[in-house]
Amino acid sequence: AQTVTQSQPEMSVQEAETVTLSCTYDTSESDYYLFWYKQPPSRQMILVIRQEAYKQQNATENRFSVNFQKAAKSFSLKISDSQLGDAAMYFCAYNFGNEKLTFGTGTRLTIIP
Amino acid sequence: EADIYQTPRYLVIGTGKKITLECSQTMGHDKMYWYQQDPGMELHLIHYSYGVNSTEKGDLSSESTVSRIRTEHFPLTLESARPSHTSQYLCASSEWEAIDEQFFGPGTRLTVL
Repeated sequence: AQTVTQSQPEMSVQEAETVTLSCTYDTSESDYYLFWYKQPPSRQMILVIRQEAYKQQNATENRFSVNFQKAAKSFSLKISDSQLGDAAMYFCAYNFGNEKLTFGTGTRLTIIP
Repeated sequence: EADIYQTPRYLVIGTGKKITLECSQTMGHDKMYWYQQDPGMELHLIHYSYGVNSTEKGDLSSESTVSRIRTEHFPLTLESARPSHTSQYLCASSEWEAIDEQFFGPGTRLTVL
């Protein structure tokens, strides 16, 4: 069974600085999909960024980018120029084929003004 | 904001009561999901559906049941609520492909006394 591990239960970063959230996963598949979801306090969970495993280029969405290391089974999220609105729980997730999403345990990100 | 709705947002109920948590989406998505999430913790998939008349149990065993009579509607029912059912319940939907994002509702926070 696939597993997703987020080893940082909590992280904090100074406003305007850069922070990296870690995610590792375990799979025997070669073609799969990886996601980062954001869950702000008392608000709906939304997709931040996604990556297709067969694409070598790291995905980027404005201030959010990933460092996808397929051989190491690592999928970290970098948030540049952190803003107060980035404070949230961040969940890494994995999907293979047309199966269900497997979520990690989450990282709570605090932004220090 | 995603067009996926959950009612009620908050529910406090006594042990033994029957409850139905409502979830509706207006995006025409075939796939819908129910997750259980304790505050600040990971998501556990409890039910999912690939379309009308399709329902499957998820990874976490749950005493709840679901139905999918219409594409847009995916209610979750607890026949006899217990304090162990106290949690947040998140509904989500997506299009068909594995790369497609899941859109989440705002959640129902259930407390069983």
